[in-house]
Amino acid sequence: KNQVEQSPQSLIILEGKNCTLQCNYTVSPFSNLRWYKQDTGRGPVSLTIMTFSENTKSNGRYTATLDADTKQSSLHITASQLSDSASYICVVRQGGYNKLIFGAGTRLAVHP
Amino acid sequence: DTGVSQNPRHKITKRGQNVTFRCDPISEHNRLYWYRQTLGQGPEFLTYFQNEAQLEKSRLLSDRFSAERPKGSFSTLEIQRTEQGDSAMYLCASSDSLDGSYNEQFFGPGTRLTVL
Repeated sequence: KNQVEQSPQSLIILEGKNCTLQCNYTVSPFSNLRWYKQDTGRGPVSLTIMTFSENTKSNGRYTATLDADTKQSSLHITASQLSDSASYICVVRQGGYNKLIFGAGTRLAVHP
Repeated sequence: DTGVSQNPRHKITKRGQNVTFRCDPISEHNRLYWYRQTLGQGPEFLTYFQNEAQLEKSRLLSDRFSAERPKGSFSTLEIQRTEQGDSAMYLCASSDSLDGSYNEQFFGPGTRLTVL
């Protein structure tokens, strides 16, 4: 079954600290993997996209990694800010299909 | 604003009533998607259009749900005889089929439905 699992479910960190969110997937065939940020009451916004051949991609303070062999991805947030408080959703596109498979998300709270 | 827009943003209705939501995609995008998201979960795929053709429907889309995209531009999602279990955020997204393998979907702000 094609699934995307994320951990932890929720995370609280202090402003300025770093954190890493995890994503494991069983989607096959694999096309690409995105990390989305979703603020409360808003639609998801894409942070990064990675294809099979990419191991690391950065977008400002966000760095995503992909290990296609172990089917794992991570999102590292550096020097967190209060505005980073949101849900972070890992999404995998199955090759040959137009549908996205979403993880349940990690809810991050950054406290002052 | 050239992003995906959805109306209304919030809808409160009584069980058994019908509701209709509208989505206006990014103008040059030919693909449009509807998702449902419940609290603490990721979005779940409901249906997808390419231009005016509805190409795929999820098993989640029961007979009470119908979606249209009559002119290949905006889309409507109607829920008939609403049930409390329909309470969720309904998200619309659009993409450009010529975007290659990336095919990024851009999401609207969603319509939050509460069924009393």
